[in-house]
Amino acid sequence: NAGVMQNPRHLVRRRGQEARLRCSPMKGHSHVYWYRQLPEEGLKFMVYLQKENIIDESGMPKERFSAEFPKEGPSILRIQQVVRGDSAAYFCASSNQETQYFGPGTRLLVL
Amino acid sequence: ILNVEQSPQSLHVQEGDSTNFTCSFPSSNFYALHWYRWETAKSPEALFVMTLNGDEKKKGRISATLNTKEGYSYLYIKGSQPEDSATYLCAFDTGNQFYFGTGTSLTVIP
Repeated sequence: NAGVMQNPRHLVRRRGQEARLRCSPMKGHSHVYWYRQLPEEGLKFMVYLQKENIIDESGMPKERFSAEFPKEGPSILRIQQVVRGDSAAYFCASSNQETQYFGPGTRLLVL
Repeated sequence: ILNVEQSPQSLHVQEGDSTNFTCSFPSSNFYALHWYRWETAKSPEALFVMTLNGDEKKKGRISATLNTKEGYSYLYIKGSQPEDSATYLCAFDTGNQFYFGTGTSLTVIP
C-alpha cells in the first residue's frame, strides 16, 4: 500500500528555468493539496485540487505558479522562471476526506 | 488570515517525564483539528483528527483534547522516550484548507 509519492526528491534549478514537481496520491484518494515550507517557516497552504479541478488556489502566488491534477497521472506543481526566493521544500498531501497524508517532499534549490 | 499558534516553540524534557503543549486556533469556521508528528527529513505523520468539542483521543502514550468553544487543543505525552523527539504540528481544518501552526519541537534527553 504505497503512500503519497513525490518526485523528484531534490531539484536544482538556475534562475529563469522551470521547475516541475510531481505528486502521486495514495490509492483511492482524489484530493491533493500542495504546501510550501520556506526556510525557518511552517507549512503554508498553496492549492487544493481534485481530479481535473482546482478547488482552492488562494495560497498560490499570482504569477509563475500553476498546478494541475489531470484525469490520468500525477498532480503537477509548475513554477516558471524560478527565482532564488522559490527555494523551499514543497510537500503534497492526499486526502480520503478525513485527514491528509503527506508525501516526502521535493526540496527545490534555485541557484 | 487565520492564525494558528503553538506553544511552546521548543521543549527539552528528560526521558520519562510527561509533557504537554498547546495549539490555539480561531473558534469560528471550525471543521476539524489535526495533530501531526514530523521527524527531521521525513514527512508529517498524522496522529489525530478531532472534530467534536470535548473530544479526547489516545494513541499509546500520546493523547489529545479539544475545546472548540475557546479554540485550543492540548497534546500530552506520558513518559517521554527519545524516539518521541520530533516536531508536533497542529492544523486547523476549515473543511477546505488546512492552516498549520509552526510546531512545537520536542527533544527528549536520554
